[in-house]
Amino acid sequence: SYELTQAPSLSVSPGQTASITCSGNKLEDKYVCWYHQKPGQSPVLLIYENNKRPSGIPERFSGSNSGNTATLTIRGTQAMDEADYYCKAWDGNTVVFGGGTTLTVL
Amino acid sequence: EVQLVESGGGLVQPGGSLRLSCAASGFTFSNYWMHWVRQAPGKGLVWVSRVNRDGSITHYADSVKGRFTISRDNAKNTLYLRMNSLGAEDTALYYCARETGIAVGKYDYWGLGTLVTVSS
Repeated sequence: SYELTQAPSLSVSPGQTASITCSGNKLEDKYVCWYHQKPGQSPVLLIYENNKRPSGIPERFSGSNSGNTATLTIRGTQAMDEADYYCKAWDGNTVVFGGGTTLTVL
Repeated sequence: EVQLVESGGGLVQPGGSLRLSCAASGFTFSNYWMHWVRQAPGKGLVWVSRVNRDGSITHYADSVKGRFTISRDNAKNTLYLRMNSLGAEDTALYYCARETGIAVGKYDYWGLGTLVTVSS
């Protein structure tokens, strides 16, 4: 079965750029979405089709997908960006989520 | 306003069954593929199942195939998940999510979830 791998955690200082990666075999051949989830809340779509932002998502969130790695980049990271971040892809049969990356801003 | 409201969760014994519901409002339910996604306590998101607009096409994660059945009633604007032979590994918060766009698994709306606890 297809797998997506994310680092469990990432720490970044306020104002810096956070890069959260998601790895999978030939991931560039698939559309990747990114979600974030704050404690006690439902997930929220941040990026779809690798690099598109839904309305209402700040421009400091961006995405890319090349080779075996998709990347979510958060520029000017803020305290409010502390959350769990999940990548997602469709392998043709099932939806696959990455294990999630907990972003800490300190 | 789009709303997805899950219900039907609760405490069930191992080997038992449960039916979850997801009541949809604020949009034309029959125009969208719908999914169930679950999250065990303190763990990540795990996809469970999806159903197409008229209920004729379904897909399941390997972990639930043969035990869970997704269905929908477009007249009632409701999505269902019938869960049989439940085990401790099925304990989770179950979300329903609306899929939109061309990419499978692009969820623009999620419910708040309903908690299923499998324990004796």
